[in-house]
Amino acid sequence: EAGVVQSPRYKIIEKKQPVAFWCNPISGHNTLYWYRQNLGQGPELLIRYENEEAVDDSQLPKDRFSAERLKGVDSTLKIQPAELGDSAVYLCASSFSTWVYDGETQYFGPGTRLLVL
Amino acid sequence: SQQGEEDPQALSIQEGENATMNCSYKTSINNLQWYRQNSGRGLVHLILIRSNEREKHSGRLRVTLDTSKKSSSLLITASRAADTASYFCATRGAQKLVFGQGTRLTINP
Repeated sequence: EAGVVQSPRYKIIEKKQPVAFWCNPISGHNTLYWYRQNLGQGPELLIRYENEEAVDDSQLPKDRFSAERLKGVDSTLKIQPAELGDSAVYLCASSFSTWVYDGETQYFGPGTRLLVL
Repeated sequence: SQQGEEDPQALSIQEGENATMNCSYKTSINNLQWYRQNSGRGLVHLILIRSNEREKHSGRLRVTLDTSKKSSSLLITASRAADTASYFCATRGAQKLVFGQGTRLTINP
């Protein structure tokens, strides 16, 4: 079974430029998460989708970050414009369900390492 | 904001020894999970313990949970070089999973 796929794996951009990350979750997983992980820290949730609906985007900096999950499958996270402080690893994860008793496990992709110069 | 605090931040032991990592948290939880992250790779789920459970085993892993002290521990027995990684506890509250800062474990041959 294929895991969570993310692309690109690495991205280097100059500040003020736009950047986009793509995620394809595990087939059948209706919940999708985007996390940001700073160096030496644990992941921090940016946004969570239940199917097509963003049910928790409280930690998403909405002035420059946007996300979408069309058709409830793939998702894209965008930053426009990027700032130096956005340098981090952006992780995508998926799970079968957050509310089913044994559906708690989140499966993570390899992440996209972003460097903003 | 991160709820879980792992202790120690870094741990270095000899292969074959046991490794123990601790996690403390602040608010009530539904469950607590441990994840492993190898260098430059994504996180892998190791084990989940629910708030009404006190101990759980999975292979060489043993997790305990003390809700009265708001703390958990992860024990890895008979460590191997492949166990070298960062280990994160994550607390599941009402709405989301919140990760700690992790313990960096190094297994020396």
